[in-house]
Amino acid sequence: DIQVTQSPSTLSASVGDRVTITCRASQNINVWLAWYQQKPGKPPKLLIYQASTLQPGIPPRFSGSGSGTEFTFTISSLQPDDFATYYCQQYDTYSVTFGQGTKLEIK
Amino acid sequence: QMQLQESAPGLVRPSETLSLTCTVSGASISHSSYYWGWIRQPPGKGLEWIGAVYEDGDTRYNPSLKSRVTISVDTSKNQFSLSLRSVTTTDTATYYCVRHFGSIDWSDPWGHGALVTVSS
Repeated sequence: DIQVTQSPSTLSASVGDRVTITCRASQNINVWLAWYQQKPGKPPKLLIYQASTLQPGIPPRFSGSGSGTEFTFTISSLQPDDFATYYCQQYDTYSVTFGQGTKLEIK
Repeated sequence: QMQLQESAPGLVRPSETLSLTCTVSGASISHSSYYWGWIRQPPGKGLEWIGAVYEDGDTRYNPSLKSRVTISVDTSKNQFSLSLRSVTTTDTATYYCVRHFGSIDWSDPWGHGALVTVSS
């Protein structure tokens, strides 16, 4: 199975900050990676797929990059609504695994 | 707009079978060319993919759960279902149904989720 290691597990930041989250896959997954945002009591919301493609309706302050085994997710300027938990997810030939999650907290 | 809604028992006894159904509205499972899946999240923890079913009944499962899981589809009711056998307290989680794009790639939309507690 392909494992995904996400870091950091917790991130403290302020409104207006630029933040970055990293995911590392245990083997080459090309660009087969998605990012989700989850708020308490709600299902995850798809933000990005294929490593860098923004889901329609998602603000452009969210972005993703990377390929192979190293991926990054960036919020260019944090807004109050962005404080949530973020997950990466790899998808490789009928196999899906999630990162452990990053809780983005207000500093 | 497509919506997914889980229905679940709420409480299941250890060693019994957990059964959930997802009803799809706003779109038809038939001729959709999508996989329909289940993902769970234990309280306060991360996400775990359980498995998925295609409109023709083809199924794919998480190897760690495969021996206990069956996922099926009923296109006449526009529903798909999850059965998890021999449950323990570690199966307590919120269970989400999802639509998968591609060959079980990213997931969108998600159902609201159903909390299932395994307890005696």
